[in-house]
Amino acid sequence: AQKITQTQPGMFVQEKEAVTLDCTYDTSDPSYGLFWYKQPSSGEMIFLIYQGSYDQQNATEGRYSLNFQKARKSANLVISASQLGDSAMYFCAMTSYNFNKFYFGSGTKLNVKP
Amino acid sequence: DAGITQSPRYKITETGRQVTLMCHQTWSHSYMFWYRQDLGHGLRLIYYSAAADITDKGEVPDGYVVSRSKTENFPLTLESATRSQTSVYFCASSRDRDLDQPQHFGDGTRLSIL
Repeated sequence: AQKITQTQPGMFVQEKEAVTLDCTYDTSDPSYGLFWYKQPSSGEMIFLIYQGSYDQQNATEGRYSLNFQKARKSANLVISASQLGDSAMYFCAMTSYNFNKFYFGSGTKLNVKP
Repeated sequence: DAGITQSPRYKITETGRQVTLMCHQTWSHSYMFWYRQDLGHGLRLIYYSAAADITDKGEVPDGYVVSRSKTENFPLTLESATRSQTSVYFCASSRDRDLDQPQHFGDGTRLSIL
């Protein structure tokens, strides 16, 4: 069975500081993909970053980076230099070749304080 | 580039009524998905479709019906709505089943069943 766990229901960070949102996953498939999505209060789901299970390097997209530790089955999202607009829900998701579906975690609500 | 659109954005109906949520994408993506989002559960997959006339159940399919006669449309029908189906519904699409393909989401339909 595939499973995604996000253990931080809510987090606060000071503006301009970095923050790490935790995500652990469970799969028996050797090939899988990990994604992070942002959901602002307006409700839309915005794709942020992708990491493949065979990727040697951690993924980066602007201020977003993914700290991928395969042996620990973790895929933490790091946001550098937080901005007020980063306040949102963040979801970690996984797909695998065999299952061809996305599995989402329950999300982490990030609040950036001025 | 219209992307993926859902209609209606908001819907209020009564228990026992039939209601259909529409989803239309302009990318010619092969895969389409329906999720429901409830507090504490993240997003849960209801149904998905790999191509026109091919659909399959997700995690929570009971009480829902889907069809996909055309690649671009993937309507979701609640045949006899119940209060437990009050939720935010998201439609999503992805180009193919490659692991690095993110799902792209519509803006959601907020459905209330009285």
